[in-house]
Amino acid sequence: DAGVTQSPTHLIKTRGQQVTLRCSPKSGHDTVSWYQQALGQGPQFIFQYYEEEERQRGNFPDRFSGHQFPNYSSELNVNALLLGDSALYLCASSLAGVETQYFGPGTRLLVL
Amino acid sequence: GESVGLHLPTLSVQEGDNSIINCAYSNSASDYFIWYKQESGKGPQFIIDIRSNMDKRQGQRVTVLLNKTVKHLSLQIAATQPGDSAVYFCAENDSSTGGTSYGKLTFGQGTILTVHP
Repeated sequence: DAGVTQSPTHLIKTRGQQVTLRCSPKSGHDTVSWYQQALGQGPQFIFQYYEEEERQRGNFPDRFSGHQFPNYSSELNVNALLLGDSALYLCASSLAGVETQYFGPGTRLLVL
Repeated sequence: GESVGLHLPTLSVQEGDNSIINCAYSNSASDYFIWYKQESGKGPQFIIDIRSNMDKRQGQRVTVLLNKTVKHLSLQIAATQPGDSAVYFCAENDSSTGGTSYGKLTFGQGTILTVHP
């Protein structure tokens, strides 16, 4: 049973560029949440997707956007990258109506 | 906004000892809590969860205790092993903004557990 997968594992970008991160949920899950984890901090909720719609959003600017596809996979897009966007981006999947979220390995983004 | 915090940022124990990791939460409306283990370079791994209508739940070598009166959560690890060395996070489900199905998790800062052989 495949767990949550994310790609790429690492990414280096420069300020002002745009980035797209990808996530495939755990088999049988239909809900995807994205988190940002700065070094030495706990993950912070960005947003959650269910039925291809953003259902809930954390305190992140509009530069952060996402998408969910009919197969439940998801993308996180970040525009106009800032140095402060450097972090580990985590995807978590769950089943609608069940709180337990399972995390992927993350994508390490470095903005220079 | 509401947040979840940890009392002890680091904990060092000897192999075979029992470990207790504590967590304080401030949102009295939270009804679901979860513990994760995160090893270096990896994503958080689910350990155990508990709903607010319970005060104790046991898993394999782990026990979570919930004290709603003082808004305190703890994770007990029995017979701690070197492989248990990691950062441990508690998180709460923010159900107040849309029901439990939305599942926004609010994380604490984390506790670094180091197990010495």
